[in-house]
Amino acid sequence: GESVGLHLPTLSVQEGDNSIINCAYSNSASDYFIWYKQESGKGPQFIIDIRSNMDKRQGQRVTVLLNKTVKHLSLQIAATQPGDSAVYFCAETSGGSNYKLTFGKGTLLTVNP
Amino acid sequence: ETGVTQTPRHLVMGMTNKKSLKCEQHLGHNAMYWYKQSAKKPLELMFVYSLEERVENNSVPSRFSPECPNSSHLFLHLHTLQPEDSALYLCASSQGLDQPQHFGDGTRLSIL
Repeated sequence: GESVGLHLPTLSVQEGDNSIINCAYSNSASDYFIWYKQESGKGPQFIIDIRSNMDKRQGQRVTVLLNKTVKHLSLQIAATQPGDSAVYFCAETSGGSNYKLTFGKGTLLTVNP
Repeated sequence: ETGVTQTPRHLVMGMTNKKSLKCEQHLGHNAMYWYKQSAKKPLELMFVYSLEERVENNSVPSRFSPECPNSSHLFLHLHTLQPEDSALYLCASSQGLDQPQHFGDGTRLSIL
């Protein structure tokens, strides 16, 4: 997952810009990856997922890229809006137990109007 | 509207109290989960139920006792909690164990 330091990584962007949130994982056996968005006072909201047999998947305004060689996952948000401000988590799992997600600490995205 | 409803949203209790957290999902899912979210720590999986059978107990202390009476409801019974148990407790559900999990908004628990 992301850095496990005490401070949450942060990303600040201008409204309308594209955002890229990164996530590193360490388990080479990881085969399912998922991104969540968590707004203040709410639970995590599913954004997009990807399996290890793919390297790219697109949703509405979001794209997830998976680089298994360097064990890196990224979430790209196009035309970032103030409503995109939240903490973004990546999670991964391996083997047949897809429900045993390992979550990163999250990245705080702030969108400036 | 998340489809997964948790009550209460906030709970303050003493260490000797007994209380229960409730989760209800309206998504027709057959798997339900409890997670703990503490400040500055990643989400921690606590329990997993599939078709009302517990399939995972992730080394959770016995002062936390889950109950899944049917596929739509999940409870977390709390007894003799410690101050370090103060956290946000999140419930999730999924259509099958290999499908994306959908979360409720959590119960913010404070132990005095």
